[in-house]
Amino acid sequence: EVQLVQSGAEVKKPGDSLKISCQGPGHIFTYNWIGWVRQMPGKGLEWMGIIYPGDSDTRYTPSFQGHVTISADKSINTAYLQWNSLKASDTAMYYCVSYCGGDCGLDPWGQGTLVNVSS
Amino acid sequence: EIVMMQSPGTLSVSPGERATLSCRASQSVSSHLAWYQQRPGQAPRLLIYGASTRATGIPGRFSGSGSGTEFTLTISSLQSEDFAVYYCQQYHNWPPLTFGQGTRLEIK
Repeated sequence: EVQLVQSGAEVKKPGDSLKISCQGPGHIFTYNWIGWVRQMPGKGLEWMGIIYPGDSDTRYTPSFQGHVTISADKSINTAYLQWNSLKASDTAMYYCVSYCGGDCGLDPWGQGTLVNVSS
Repeated sequence: EIVMMQSPGTLSVSPGERATLSCRASQSVSSHLAWYQQRPGQAPRLLIYGASTRATGIPGRFSGSGSGTEFTLTISSLQSEDFAVYYCQQYHNWPPLTFGQGTRLEIK
């Protein structure tokens, strides 16, 4: 079973910086896009943005652009989601997910990284 | 941005019965529509893509239909493990790859 493996839960204070990771098999990072999805407590799925590790082409949903940075290191099959200054409203579960770029759906998903931002 | 709208918000169905979930797009997405299941405490799981193609390992009781702006997910005979939240998502025009707000399927 193909899996994406995410870094562990984080507890941070407002204003802190944070970088979470998502690692997977080489063929996914060679041929697929890697996206990030936010799920706030008790809420639905929100698409944040996506990166193609092959050439670092990155596309953000407007509501997230400027607040997070998506990056990838294809040499170690890892994608990242980064904040320079966290807010309490960033408290959520964050999932990475693979997308083939065509008629295929989003699959596989990472297990999720819980980020808790509290003073 | 294409907006996806799911109905109903919550659906109560008895085990063994059929469940029908709806998803509407604000503009045509052709057949570029996927369905996901999210059980409590778990990551979402791909069920259907291309509006009607079951993903690998998904049981035959799950079926999808529709094209353009109107889509349906049908679960033919509900099992206990099927009670979860279901999301539709379009990938016709991205970014962003937008999700519906979800339908909670609960035991009646």
